[in-house]
Amino acid sequence: EPEVTQTPSHQVTQMGQEVILRCVPISNHLYFYWYRQILGQKVEFLVSFYNNEISEKSEIFDDQFSVERPDGSNFTLKIRSTKLEDSAMYFCASSEGRPDSYEQYFGPGTRLTVT
Amino acid sequence: AQRVTQPEKLLSVFKGAPVELKCNYSYSGSPELFWYVQYSRQRLQLLLRHISRESIKGFTADLNKGETSFHLKKPFAQEEDSAMYYCALSGQNTGNQFYFGTGTSLTVIP
Repeated sequence: EPEVTQTPSHQVTQMGQEVILRCVPISNHLYFYWYRQILGQKVEFLVSFYNNEISEKSEIFDDQFSVERPDGSNFTLKIRSTKLEDSAMYFCASSEGRPDSYEQYFGPGTRLTVT
Repeated sequence: AQRVTQPEKLLSVFKGAPVELKCNYSYSGSPELFWYVQYSRQRLQLLLRHISRESIKGFTADLNKGETSFHLKKPFAQEEDSAMYYCALSGQNTGNQFYFGTGTSLTVIP
């Protein structure tokens, strides 16, 4: 069964550094998402991406964040200058269609630790 | 504003006992409600959605618009049901945004 994959599984970075989190969505899916989960807190929506552009973003997704689909398979989340409070689990997801009608398939997550 | 509330962080029941995980929501319009589950060391996965009216692994959930609730129920809990359960909401008014509750950790005691 196809799965969403994410790399790396754990990323440690110093405050102020740039990080890129990578995801490979399921190949025939059209919608892509990033979520984050700070330890002990709920899963929070960051951004959705469709047709090569951002379709929705939350208040969390400020100018420090960007997403890209550099080729036909990868979907990346870049944090330009990491802060301590960016430490969290980051989940990528994909779906065939809109999230209100189609199941989202989640990746295993990348744990980002900012020191 | 859209919001999903799961009042119980932790819930323990004995094997064979009924279980109910509560979810309340706030949404202006017609919501789409979902339950996602995360078993130990596994990824988040869809358990069920209200629109399909399915029973998955013995779990059911009914959308009650009057009480703005979408509680998850199972008449006889099994040990393998121990997991983290998240209620989630989407809909036309939220575009492609998806709102999760804080989750309830269910432990089924053998």
